[in-house]
Amino acid sequence: SSELTQDPAVSVALGQTVRITCQGDSLRTYYASWYQQKPGQAPLLVFYGKNSRPSGIPDRFSGSSSGNTASLTITGAQAEDEADYYCNSRDNSGKLYVFGSGTQVTVL
Amino acid sequence: QVQLQQWGAGLLKPSETLSLTCTVHGGSFSAYYWSWVRQPPGKGLEWIGEIHQSGTTNYNPSLESRVTISLDTSKNLFSLNLTSVTAADTAVYYCARRNSDIALVGTAFIRYNWFDPWGQGTLVTVFS
Repeated sequence: SSELTQDPAVSVALGQTVRITCQGDSLRTYYASWYQQKPGQAPLLVFYGKNSRPSGIPDRFSGSSSGNTASLTITGAQAEDEADYYCNSRDNSGKLYVFGSGTQVTVL
Repeated sequence: QVQLQQWGAGLLKPSETLSLTCTVHGGSFSAYYWSWVRQPPGKGLEWIGEIHQSGTTNYNPSLESRVTISLDTSKNLFSLNLTSVTAADTAVYYCARRNSDIALVGTAFIRYNWFDPWGQGTLVTVFS
């Protein structure tokens, strides 16, 4: 399968924790990478690999993986974290890279 | 710090060819794959394809018959051509660098990839 499934939308109270999940067969073989996208902006890498966060990304962003599910957790969500989040991985055929359908995160 | 700057025509008619270029500033062009990703209005991201400095290309099978990605190493730029466009090709097109590494997990090596940095995006609209 070349699909990565994400929940369309989640909401989180300011300062609370939210977990965004990404499911797909290829995640049993490859780590996911995660991107934050705000309206009118290019995607921004926020987490990748087993445990890597790019320079400049707050440590409230963390990732994990188990079986066919990858997760991005925002611990202590801030107003500026409100955005769409996409996961990405190589598909099992190894022929292409697939993005998840995206999760819209609303910070209440 | 590597930055990607992209440009190209933003308005096309059906059956025309989309052409976009992305210049790599401030970093090495070699040892990476250079990708194109698109996003239709209000929708998600779709990987189009990539090229390595060696000239090796990989394309999304859904677009492979119409896509060509090329590069000019002397100018540190790579380009996207998409032929026979239709309204379904209307999207914001992004260039991005694909990075790759290997992690040792237990006794197995697992390769992982990530896209960073990204270009600013170019809206391409196909209208008749």
